Amino acid sequence: QKEVEQNSGPLSVPEGAIASLNCTYSDRGSQSFFWYRQYSGKSPELIMFIYSNGDKEDGRFTAQLNKASQYVSLLIRDSQPSDSATYLCAVNGGGSYIPTFGRGTSLIVHP
Amino acid sequence: DTAVSQTPKYLVTQMGNDKSIKCEQNLGHDTMYWYKQDSKKFLKIMFSYNNKELIINETVPNRFSPKSPDKAHLNLHINSLELGDSAVYFCASSQGGGSGTDTQYFGPGTRLTVL
Repeated sequence: QKEVEQNSGPLSVPEGAIASLNCTYSDRGSQSFFWYRQYSGKSPELIMFIYSNGDKEDGRFTAQLNKASQYVSLLIRDSQPSDSATYLCAVNGGGSYIPTFGRGTSLIVHP
Repeated sequence: DTAVSQTPKYLVTQMGNDKSIKCEQNLGHDTMYWYKQDSKKFLKIMFSYNNKELIINETVPNRFSPKSPDKAHLNLHINSLELGDSAVYFCASSQGGGSGTDTQYFGPGTRLTVL
């Protein structure tokens, strides 16, 4: 049984700060890692994906992957109130193309 | 143009009824999915359909059945609805095939309420 774990939060950060969201996974064969953002009452939308160890940056977002420790994180720099949402970590690979989602971390960015 | 669309957006019905939710994608993707998101926001895969191959999450009751008339459509039929079926149901599509960058594109969701 593949498991993807996230702290449900809420994680509360002040505007302008760095928000750090973490995700761990159980299947060592996992190959691809995705971060989705879901606003309340809306559908999940992709922020970014990563599949190589290290950092991947896209604007204010940085995904970090450490396969040896089986964790992936998302950093949001200069957090804005509009970043307030639930962030879902998803993992696939290891023989299946169907992703396994974590329960999501609720992020609140307060002015 | 909406990439992945679902109808209806809201569905309120009585226990024991049979209902369907429709999903269409215009992305040319090979794979479509149905997810259930419960009140605690946990997004759980129900079905995946790829080139006539149906993969079923074994925990899904057989009251739920997917129907795919063609590659662009994957509808969800639910028989004998129960209170516990109340949730938001998301349709999604992806290029499929196990690509390392296989991104899910989600529809807007259908909020099902069983009374």
